[in-house]
Amino acid sequence: DAKTTQPNSMESNEEEPVHLPCNHSTISGTDYIHWYRQLPSQGPEYVIHGLTSNVNNRMASLAIAEDRKSSTLILHRATLRDAAVYYCILRLDNDMRFGAGTRLTVKP
Amino acid sequence: NAGVTQTPKFRILKIGQSMTLQCAQDMNHNYMYWYRQDPGMGLKLIYYSVGAGITDKGEVPNGYNVSRSTTEDFPLRLELAAPSQTSVYFCASSGGRITEAFFGQGTRLTVV
Repeated sequence: DAKTTQPNSMESNEEEPVHLPCNHSTISGTDYIHWYRQLPSQGPEYVIHGLTSNVNNRMASLAIAEDRKSSTLILHRATLRDAAVYYCILRLDNDMRFGAGTRLTVKP
Repeated sequence: NAGVTQTPKFRILKIGQSMTLQCAQDMNHNYMYWYRQDPGMGLKLIYYSVGAGITDKGEVPNGYNVSRSTTEDFPLRLELAAPSQTSVYFCASSGGRITEAFFGQGTRLTVV
């Protein structure tokens, strides 16, 4: 399975944008890039996914590099409720495997 | 719309006991997954299924068994519980390989 690399932790100030990076240099041409987040004491929840083009939804934006070897999840205005572990995963095969993710701390 | 329902929410087992963690989804999803999450760690895939009657091992299948007799249900069986199986267990489902997955709220299991 293709692997992803994320920073262990990041900090942000409330109401400022947050850019969460993910490297996936071994991505294949048909791997989809998915982002999930896990709030404290909850199960993971879907955030966004994309293949080649940048994607936007009500929660976030996903910017995918032209060579697809990296991507960035963008939270446009971080709130305290966005404090969570964010996971970047690649989906192609039938299974779905998570890495360690990035723990985002949002400071008031 | 219940989504993915896991039962029980909490359980304490004694070493050597067995139990089944239940997972049910009402979204007619073919793909279902079981994960465990140890304190402060990420999720590890135990087993997954791509449809009724089809299951496959994930990263950490030892000590667990699964079955998938219906589309809706994907129970996880622990035989001969060990302290190393103390963890939070999450079940998830998705409509396909690349569609979004939905997770249950988890089962917190302690083996003493």
